[in-house]
Amino acid sequence: NAGVMQNPRHLVRRRGQEARLRCSPMKGHSHVYWYRQLPEEGLKFMVYLQKENIIDESGMPKERFSAEFPKEGPSILRIQQVVRGDSAAYFCASSGNYGYTFGSGTRLTVV
Amino acid sequence: SQQGEEDPQALSIQEGENATMNCSYKTSINNLQWYRQNSGRGLVHLILIRSNEREKHSGRLRVTLDTSKKSSSLLITASRAADTASYFCATDYSGAGSYQLTFGKGTKLSVIP
Repeated sequence: NAGVMQNPRHLVRRRGQEARLRCSPMKGHSHVYWYRQLPEEGLKFMVYLQKENIIDESGMPKERFSAEFPKEGPSILRIQQVVRGDSAAYFCASSGNYGYTFGSGTRLTVV
Repeated sequence: SQQGEEDPQALSIQEGENATMNCSYKTSINNLQWYRQNSGRGLVHLILIRSNEREKHSGRLRVTLDTSKKSSSLLITASRAADTASYFCATDYSGAGSYQLTFGKGTKLSVIP
């Protein structure tokens, strides 16, 4: 069981570019959560998805951010027209019967 | 805000000493969890304590929960240099949206060899 896989581990984007972060949940998990961690801060909830459904996106910024979890393939967190303030670590977690498992995160740097 | 708060923000101890970190939260919870994060790395789940439990042990870790005070503590006994990391508490509060984990800002622990 490979755990929650996130890629890339590090991503550098120039201001205005798009960032795509991928997350493959643990085998057998059908719930995916995205969290953002700003420097020196704790994690903040962004969005909760099940296959083909967004259950709760109350933590997502209203513009430029979107998330999906298609029937096949990984969950994608997409950030359009990135700005310096988007620089952060983005963590994905999945859950089954025994609670959360977090991935190792994607560290996004906007230059 | 229901965000938990850990204290102290930073803690520096000698190897072999015990380290105690505290966490307070604001709303009724289902569970409280502690995580460790090494610098620049992902989260490692340490221990979960349910709202009807008062104390839990796992190896050198001891967690207590006082729901009347809305607080928890994490004790690491006989600390090692490898325990150097940031430690976060996370709560899932009872009620709508209980799947969300609410994290504190963490305690940065340095264990000096």
